[in-house]
Amino acid sequence: AQKVTQAQTEISVVEKEDVTLDCVYETRDTTYYLFWYKQPPSGELVFLIRRNSFDEQNEISGRYSWNFQKSTSSFNFTITASQVVDSAVYFCALSGSSFGNEKLTFGTGTRLTIIP
Amino acid sequence: GAVVSQHPSWVICKSGTSVKIECRSLDFQATTMFWYRQFPKQSLMLMATSNEGSKATYEQGVEKDKFLINHASLTLSTLTVTSAHPEDSSFYICSARDPSGRGMNTEAFFGQGTRLTVV
Repeated sequence: AQKVTQAQTEISVVEKEDVTLDCVYETRDTTYYLFWYKQPPSGELVFLIRRNSFDEQNEISGRYSWNFQKSTSSFNFTITASQVVDSAVYFCALSGSSFGNEKLTFGTGTRLTIIP
Repeated sequence: GAVVSQHPSWVICKSGTSVKIECRSLDFQATTMFWYRQFPKQSLMLMATSNEGSKATYEQGVEKDKFLINHASLTLSTLTVTSAHPEDSSFYICSARDPSGRGMNTEAFFGQGTRLTVV
């Protein structure tokens, strides 16, 4: 069974501060994929990143960066110099890699509020 | 990038009526689509996997007769909530993967979601 845990239910930070969203996962698959999605108040899910379990390189995209630590089964997401537009619910998700095992298992989400 | 369109974005219906939600992949063919349900301030829970040309695969606890899924073409899956009740009020969202040339497990493209309110 797959499980994704986002222990932080809600986080509030002042604009321009850095913030890290935690994600811990459990899976028996040797190959899997990890994702982060952003859900603004409008409801749609915005894809942020996909990470293959074989690729432990950290990734940076503008103000966003991701730290994948396979040894601790964590895939944390950091926003630097936060902005009000970053306010949203962020979901970490996990899927298998084999055909027929593509469904996403989501964490419970972290509601991020950036205070102006 | 690939786009998944979901319609309607919101719907209000009376108890006992049925509501159909459409999920379309606009620029790719999706043999598999997924339907999720999200209660307020909660996570997304997979309801079923929609397979083109065959029966949907439902997750444990999801009533097949209540949530009818049809995937008649490679670009369209529909979810029909039958005999809706207020407890069916929720946010329903579909997703699809574009398998063409990108291998398995590319990012799942999500529709805009449908907010269903049953009164």
